[in-house]
Amino acid sequence: NAGVTQTPKFQVLKTGQSMTLQCAQDMNHEYMSWYRQDPGMGLRLIHYSVGAGITDQGEVPNGYNVSRSTTEDFPLRLLSAAPSQTSVYFCASRVDRARGNTIYFGEGSWLTVV
Amino acid sequence: SQQGEEDPQALSIQEGENATMNCSYKTSINNLQWYRQNSGRGLVHLILIRSNEREKHSGRLRVTLDTSKKSSSLLITASRAADTASYFCATDEEMGRRALTFGSGTRLQVQP
Repeated sequence: NAGVTQTPKFQVLKTGQSMTLQCAQDMNHEYMSWYRQDPGMGLRLIHYSVGAGITDQGEVPNGYNVSRSTTEDFPLRLLSAAPSQTSVYFCASRVDRARGNTIYFGEGSWLTVV
Repeated sequence: SQQGEEDPQALSIQEGENATMNCSYKTSINNLQWYRQNSGRGLVHLILIRSNEREKHSGRLRVTLDTSKKSSSLLITASRAADTASYFCATDEEMGRRALTFGSGTRLQVQP
């Protein structure tokens, strides 16, 4: 049981490039989400999914796309990277059958856009 | 805007002292959770308190919740150098999307 696995750990992109951050969980969790963390800002929700085939926008969705073709995987795509997307990205999952379940986080992906 | 706001933003104490962090939030919640983040790592769940609970303990952690004031506190007793980390409160809102909303965190430094 690996929990939530994110790749890559570190990435440097040029402005305008696209890339995908991968996220996989092996806990059969229904709910998955992506957050970004910036200094002094806490974690802000980008996109989330309550199950395979269902995604929705969070607090800061612009410039990002997601899909949820399987229960296990929830990739985050940067369409055209901008310096403002330099951040640490965290994928998270939890069982969604009842609120109150804790969230399990991946170890983070450090992204720098130059 | 942040649902949860922690106070203080930074806290430095000596080993053995108690550390208290506070969190305020804005909307009705189902529960409030506290997470810890070591530098360069992901967040790890510490404790969850439901909206109908007022106090909860877990080891050296004590969490209180006052729904009338929309506030919570996390107390770490007999702190250790290994407790040095950032601590975040997160609220599970009663209405709206099924996502936790995080505050900006309290950076705790425990001096050995």
